[in-house]
Amino acid sequence: AQKITQTQPGMFVQEKEAVTLDCTYDTSDPSYGLFWYKQPSSGEMIFLIYQGSYDQQNATEGRYSLNFQKARKSANLVISASQLGDSAMYFCAMSQVMEYGNKLVFGAGTILRVKS
Amino acid sequence: EAGVTQSPTHLIKTRGQQATLRCSPISGHTSVYWYQQALGLGLQFLLWYDEGEERNRGNFPPRFSGRQFPNYSSELNVNALELEDSALYLCASSLRDRAQHFGDGTRLSIL
Repeated sequence: AQKITQTQPGMFVQEKEAVTLDCTYDTSDPSYGLFWYKQPSSGEMIFLIYQGSYDQQNATEGRYSLNFQKARKSANLVISASQLGDSAMYFCAMSQVMEYGNKLVFGAGTILRVKS
Repeated sequence: EAGVTQSPTHLIKTRGQQATLRCSPISGHTSVYWYQQALGLGLQFLLWYDEGEERNRGNFPPRFSGRQFPNYSSELNVNALELEDSALYLCASSLRDRAQHFGDGTRLSIL
C-alpha cells in the first residue's frame, strides 16, 4: 500500500527566507507521481508542483521547487523567499497510477507560518 | 477558464438526514474525485468517477455514494448522516493522469 509521511506538524520561517517541508513516501509501484498542495485557512486546495517518478530533473514552479531523491524516497518542497501569504497547510500527495487516471494518497500535512 | 465549482458552500443537517453535494469539473476534465477532510485530519479519498463510471472508492461505508452525469458533473450523496460525517468535502477534477485541481469544498455540519 502507498503511504505518505510528513513528519513536521508545524514550521515557522522568517519572511524572505527559504524553508523546506519534508515528505517521504512508500510504494512498490515503479510509476508514480508526487504532488504538493497548499491549503489556506479558507479551505481550498491549490496545486503547487508535480514530480513524476521517471523525471530526471527536479521540478520547479516559480518560488517552489521539489527536491526529489528517489533512492531515499523523499520529495521535499522548498519554498524560496517566503512571503506572508505562504502561511497555510501544505500537503504532500502521491498518485497511484490506474487505468483511467490517478488516485491521490495524502500525507497528514504541515502547517507553515511565515513571520514578519 | 472556470475552475472546479462546488455547491453548496455550507450545508447543515441533522443526524439521520441525507445530504447531496454537487461538483462541476473544469471544462474538458473527465475525471472527478471526492475527498473527505475531517477536522484536524488529512484528506481521505472517497470516490472517483471517470466517463460516467465509478472507478474506485475509498474505505467508506455504502451510505456514501455518488454518480457522474453525461456532462461530467458529479453528485456525492451521504445517507443516514452521522455526527462524524461533519467535514469539509472536496471535489477535484483532472484529465486522466494529470494533476488534480480542487474546488473550494462544501462544509457539511451535522447537528
